[in-house]
Amino acid sequence: LAKTTQPICRDSYEGQEVNITCSHNNIATNDYITWYQQFPSQGPRFIIQGYKTKVTNEVASLFIPADRKSSTLSLPRVSLSDTAVYYCLVGDEGFKTIFGAGTRLFVKA
Amino acid sequence: GAVVSQHPSRVICKSGTSVKIECRSLDFQATTMFWYRQFPKKSLMLMATSNEGSKATYEQGVEKDKFLINHASLTLSTLTVTSAHPEDSSFYICSARDGTGAIEKLFFGSGTQLSVL
Repeated sequence: LAKTTQPICRDSYEGQEVNITCSHNNIATNDYITWYQQFPSQGPRFIIQGYKTKVTNEVASLFIPADRKSSTLSLPRVSLSDTAVYYCLVGDEGFKTIFGAGTRLFVKA
Repeated sequence: GAVVSQHPSRVICKSGTSVKIECRSLDFQATTMFWYRQFPKKSLMLMATSNEGSKATYEQGVEKDKFLINHASLTLSTLTVTSAHPEDSSFYICSARDGTGAIEKLFFGSGTQLSVL
């Protein structure tokens, strides 16, 4: 299982773009990168998933460099409601879901 | 996206009683489900992997006789906390793997807050 490392916390202001980088130096060839968002007292919610290059959906973008040893979640124009913990997970179809510490994003007015 | 329903959302019980938590995949079949516990301001800790029709696989340090897992159908897994004690108070979360798409994804229940008095 590839271990992931993320910043513990990030502060931002409403309307700003927030980028959170996750390091996964020992990512395997078959591993995908998945990001989840968790609000207090709720289960994590799927945000985005990718394998390489760039993936974009209605919520976020995911940038993955060629060596895939890191990935960056980009949240455009954050709002107060984006205050949450963001988790980066790396694994393949058979992977167990081992969560790292996550990144606490705090969006201020 | 896929929906995972977890019930109850909150339970308060007396020490020594057993509590059952249900996790259902509503619109897909889940051969594999996962159970976690989470303490305040901490990350999710994987407790066990639940496989339909077979015994669950427990993580190191998790007592299988304490946390009974049953995955009797492709849409339902249950976690029973037996003889609960105050130290079992925690937030329990389940997830189910949806492998019907091109890429497998995990979908999570809304969690169960267990308080043991």
